[in-house]
Amino acid sequence: EDQVTQSPEALRLQEGESSSLNCSYTVSGLRGLFWYRQDPGKGPEFLFTLYSAGEEKEKERLKATLTKKESFLHITAPKPEDSATYLCAVQAISDFGNEKLTFGTGTRLTIIP
Amino acid sequence: DTEVTQTPKHLVMGMTNKKSLKCEQHMGHRAMYWYKQKAKKPPELMFVYSYEKLSINESVPSRFSPECPNSSLLNLHLHALQPEDSALYLCASSRTGYNTEAFFGQGTRLTVV
Repeated sequence: EDQVTQSPEALRLQEGESSSLNCSYTVSGLRGLFWYRQDPGKGPEFLFTLYSAGEEKEKERLKATLTKKESFLHITAPKPEDSATYLCAVQAISDFGNEKLTFGTGTRLTIIP
Repeated sequence: DTEVTQTPKHLVMGMTNKKSLKCEQHMGHRAMYWYKQKAKKPPELMFVYSYEKLSINESVPSRFSPECPNSSLLNLHLHALQPEDSALYLCASSRTGYNTEAFFGQGTRLTVV
């Protein structure tokens, strides 16, 4: 069964204090790994797609990287508006040949001014 | 336009009511999804439609009935729900094929009383 594990569960940082969020996965037939940001009561907002080990993507203060077993979301000099839950999801082919997206449990990030 | 629109934003219904959630996208995506999300949990896949055909049903109780009238619309019909069905219901869409990111709507906050 596909598994996606995110750590830490929650993270509090001072404004400007850089850190990394981890997403470990065990899937067969990985097609892509996605990072989303979710604010309370809202739908997830797409951030990045990573397809193969060694790939990196950047957007403003965020940088996502991928290895064969895990992905990291690095946040550099975060601001309070970066506070949100960050979700990792993997896309794989199900037993029935359909694409399926499996989410991790998320990391709740709080940036303190 | 990367918008997925869900209506209503909030819904309160009794256990004997029948109601429907609606989702619309105009990005030309041919895959559409329903997810259920409980508080502080990741989204859980319920249904996947691919080219207007139901391709994945994650063993969802029959009190939830999906419908895809055309490539832009997705409905979720609700009947005889239980209080534990209260959650944020998210619709998403993506291009079919591999390595395609899903875009989410803002969700419908459903409360069953």
